[in-house]
Amino acid sequence: DTGVSQDPRHKITKRGQNVTFRCDPISEHNRLYWYRQTLGQGPEFLTYFQNEAQLEKSRLLSDRFSAERPKGSFSTLEIQRTEQGDSAMYLCAIVMGDGNTIYFGEGSWLTVV
Amino acid sequence: RKEVEQDPGPFNVPEGATVAFNCTYSNSASQSFFWYRQDCRKEPKLLMSVYSSGNEDGRFTAQLNRASQYISLLIRDSKLSDSATYLCVVNDYKLSFGAGTTVTVRA
Repeated sequence: DTGVSQDPRHKITKRGQNVTFRCDPISEHNRLYWYRQTLGQGPEFLTYFQNEAQLEKSRLLSDRFSAERPKGSFSTLEIQRTEQGDSAMYLCAIVMGDGNTIYFGEGSWLTVV
Repeated sequence: RKEVEQDPGPFNVPEGATVAFNCTYSNSASQSFFWYRQDCRKEPKLLMSVYSSGNEDGRFTAQLNRASQYISLLIRDSKLSDSATYLCVVNDYKLSFGAGTTVTVRA
């Protein structure tokens, strides 16, 4: 039990379609992060939330990407007009209040064909 | 310059060997540091946190050098099961990751 649930775990979509990933922390956590990871690379920061507020977005997050955390609990990451380069694992992480405990979800694998 | 940089390896070592590698970070205000282990196509899993005084967990030893802004991981008596990618994570509010160091332990 990682404390973070991600859905769907795997998604295959055609280029140009929209996809949405969801991250559900088991309990309330202040900070929630999204990362993208491709094979052979470390996770790349996309964005993070402090409660409902989206505090920073990476330049990797083009205007096709949008993330929300409407009630300060679960979060969604939407990719519009998917491109083959979007194929990656999208990881969600939460940080406990003390800043010293991080939980990762199992990731959502996206394949754009 | 990347916020966190790691030697990508790969480190290919025989069973029982000692392997060590470093990770450098650029934000001197970073508050906490971690080593994560990641197996192929899996999410990262916490190996150990890194404290200023250095810390040890079984065969694994982590060190933090704030003056030089690096952390290190040493694996003693390596096992086949230690084969993985080791990610350095720096809590600089953004949780910055290194690209990972690949370790392969051979029989």
